[in-house]
Formats: sequence, structure tokens, C-alpha cells
Amino acid sequence: AQTVTQSQPEMSVQEAETVTLSCTYDTSESDYYLFWYKQPPSRQMILVIRQEAYKQQNATENRFSVNFQKAAKSFSLKISDSQLGDAAMYFCAYRSKAAGNKLTFGGGTRVLVKP
Amino acid sequence: DAGVIQSPRHEVTEMGQEVTLRCKPISGHDYLFWYRQTMMRGLELLIYFNNNVPIDDSGMPEDRFSAKMPNASFSTLKIQPSEPRDSAVYFCASSLDFTSYEQYFGPGTRLTVT
Repeated sequence: AQTVTQSQPEMSVQEAETVTLSCTYDTSESDYYLFWYKQPPSRQMILVIRQEAYKQQNATENRFSVNFQKAAKSFSLKISDSQLGDAAMYFCAYRSKAAGNKLTFGGGTRVLVKP
Repeated sequence: DAGVIQSPRHEVTEMGQEVTLRCKPISGHDYLFWYRQTMMRGLELLIYFNNNVPIDDSGMPEDRFSAKMPNASFSTLKIQPSEPRDSAVYFCASSLDFTSYEQYFGPGTRLTVT
């Protein structure tokens, strides 16, 4: 079974600065998806960014980018130019391509943004 | 589109009572998922459906939990009898098809069992 680990319970960043959230996962599969979801205080789960394992190029969405290291099974999220609205819980998630459509989530990292 | 709709948003009930959570997926989506979020266990998948058929219910904690999807636009998650340890936020999500990477989440139902 796949597992996803987020080792940082909480991260603090100054507004306009950069913060990097770490995520590692365990799998024996070679092709899969990885995601970062944001959960603000409203509880709504919002997809931030995704990465397909067979793609070597790191995904980027505006101020959000990932560092995907397949061999190391590492998938970190970088938030650049942090804004107050970025304050939320961030969850890393894994989805197998071969074994169904379900997501396995990490434990989450809370991001605090200081004005 | 209105997105995934869940009701109620909050539910407070007493131990032993039956609780029914409801979900309306996005129209045209073939997959529907039920997740539970707690401080202790994080976000965990309970069950998911494809074209109204349950595919994987290995995450359902015990027989007190049951889920149905009688048609493509409606699903229920029932807990009978409820216990305090069932207190959590329950999310419903849907996705278009197997190749679609994104799951769209509803706003969740916060369940408190006293």
C-alpha cells in the first residue's frame, strides 16, 4: 500500500517570501499522479498543482511550483511571493494509475503567513 | 456548475442515533468518493463508486457505516448507530472519469456525536 508522509506539521513564512513544503511517498509503482491540495479555514479542498510521474519536467502554476524527485520519492511544493490568502493546510496526495481512482493523503502541513 | 453539494453542513446528534449524510456530485461525473477527516487519522478514503456501483469499500470502518448511490446524482453515507468517535468532517468528491486527474470536493459535513 502506498503511504504519503509530510514531516512538517507547521511552517511559517513572511508575506512576499518563499516557503517550501516537503512530501515523501512510498510506492512500488512507476507511473502515478501526485497532487498538492490546499484546505483553507473554510474546509474546502482546492487542487493547487499536479504532477504525472512519467513527466520529468516539474509542474508550475503561477506562484506554486514543485520539485519532483522520482528516484528519491520526493515531491515538495514551493510557494513564492507568499500572500495572506495562502494561509491554509496543505496536503500532499498520491494516486495510483493502475489501482483505482482513489487518493492517499499525507498528514498535512499548516502554513502561517505573517504580514 | 454548482460543484459538489453536501448536506447538511453541520450535524449534531446523540450517541446511538442514525445519521445520514448526503451528496450530489457534479453532473456528468462518473466517480464519487466519500472521505473522512479527523485530527488523529487525517484524510482517509471510506468508499468510492463508479457509475453508481461501489468499487472499493475497504476504508469503511465497520458495519455501522453504509453508503449507497441509487442514481448518478445522489449518494448517502449512513451511520447507524452513531458513536462519539465518529465525530469528524465527512467529504464527498467527484471526478469525471478514470483518466481525469482532478477530484472536486464538496464543502464537507461536520458531524458531532455527543
